[in-house]
Amino acid sequence: DVKVTQSSRYLVKRTGEKVFLECVQDMDHENMFWYRQDPGLGLRLIYFSYDVKMKEKGDIPEGYSVSREKKERFSLILESASTNQTSMYLCASSSSFGTGRNTEAFFGQGTRLTVV
Amino acid sequence: GENVEQHPSTLSVQEGDSAVIKCTYSDSASNYFPWYKQELGKRPQLIIDIRSNVGEKKDQRIAVTLNKTAKHFSLHITETQPEDSAVYFCAASLSGGFKTIFGAGTRLFVKA
Repeated sequence: DVKVTQSSRYLVKRTGEKVFLECVQDMDHENMFWYRQDPGLGLRLIYFSYDVKMKEKGDIPEGYSVSREKKERFSLILESASTNQTSMYLCASSSSFGTGRNTEAFFGQGTRLTVV
Repeated sequence: GENVEQHPSTLSVQEGDSAVIKCTYSDSASNYFPWYKQELGKRPQLIIDIRSNVGEKKDQRIAVTLNKTAKHFSLHITETQPEDSAVYFCAASLSGGFKTIFGAGTRLFVKA
């Protein structure tokens, strides 16, 4: 059973703080993703990674950075949190079976971040 | 980049009726089209997917169709039940890449 675990379910941070959201998967997946979910906007891709130390910008990378030092862990960093980054953040992972074929994404339980 | 549009944003049906959700995508190189269901307070989970070499796929009460020429794909749920009530997301992935772009979601209400 695939497990994607996010370090926190709820977080409250102050404007200007540096925030770390952690995600760990236990299925040796190559691909990992960070999305934010807002009402009416669906799931918007922030960053993704297809290998250790590799990262690619998604559609809304501004104000965020990521780190993937180990295959199983993908961290999302808010350099200086702002109120417009209040949202639900979802991490996901998927396998490419080494062939480049995209496969099912498994999601974490989400982190609801509130920036005050 | 890839863009996925999903309609309608909200859909209300009577139990037993069918529900249809439609998506269009912009990049003709996309080759993988999954559908996810997200129940209230839970994480999205895959319910069905289709690849670009197939026009239709069915799994019990749910089916997905793909029209590559028109760049649109649809989810069909037959004999809807109250437990089908959820938010449904379509998505598209680019060939040779790993970026998965989601639609904005459809909130489905099935009235008993």
